[in-house]
Amino acid sequence: ETGVTQTPRHLVMGMTNKKSLKCEQHLGHNAMYWYKQSAKKPLELMFVYNFKEQTENNSVPSRFSPECPNSSHLFLHLHTLQPEDSALYLCASSQVQDSITYSGNTIYFGEGSWLTVV
Amino acid sequence: AQTVTQSQPEMSVQEAETVTLSCTYDTSESNYYLFWYKQPPSRQMILVIRQEAYKQQNATENRFSVNFQKAAKSFSLKISDSQLGDTAMYFCAFMRRSNDYKLSFGAGTTVTVRA
Repeated sequence: ETGVTQTPRHLVMGMTNKKSLKCEQHLGHNAMYWYKQSAKKPLELMFVYNFKEQTENNSVPSRFSPECPNSSHLFLHLHTLQPEDSALYLCASSQVQDSITYSGNTIYFGEGSWLTVV
Repeated sequence: AQTVTQSQPEMSVQEAETVTLSCTYDTSESNYYLFWYKQPPSRQMILVIRQEAYKQQNATENRFSVNFQKAAKSFSLKISDSQLGDTAMYFCAFMRRSNDYKLSFGAGTTVTVRA
């Protein structure tokens, strides 16, 4: 079992649908992340949650809405997406020393959720 | 902003031989971390090796080693005794130590190990 699990692994949704991606980490970490991986583009950081508080929103459109109910779970709620949002969405986690310095951080990734918007 | 450049989109290597992947980065920071991640066909991003910029000694992890040249802002990965399971895309990544939850990734290098 991997330390970071994502469900579903594959999702096809229409532009008017509402769906959610789920991530769970089993590593006892206190920070979680969403990354987007599109074809021919470097990985893009979308959101960061540290100690359950969102500390980063990297100019992500409001049609993506993250939720972090506790330090082990992270959701990405999807609503009225566009075809260009089709990508691999990677969840990750890490252990940070405190809420300010993040010193010594190493990020561990899940297997990703393939999203296709039709 | 930090930029990470991987100039080799694809590389092929014979099983048991050695391959070296290049990575350069641009930063004004003095304290930072560098990483190599591997992404096999399963798409999971797996940490291969990590280097702390203040350490002069190059990191090694079994068959994987790096050549870290801080002045040149270069961070290459050497895979020795290549195995079929090493076939994957390899990403170089940068993280500032002062604000180090952001990983900046290169575009990746696809490595194919031939039997």
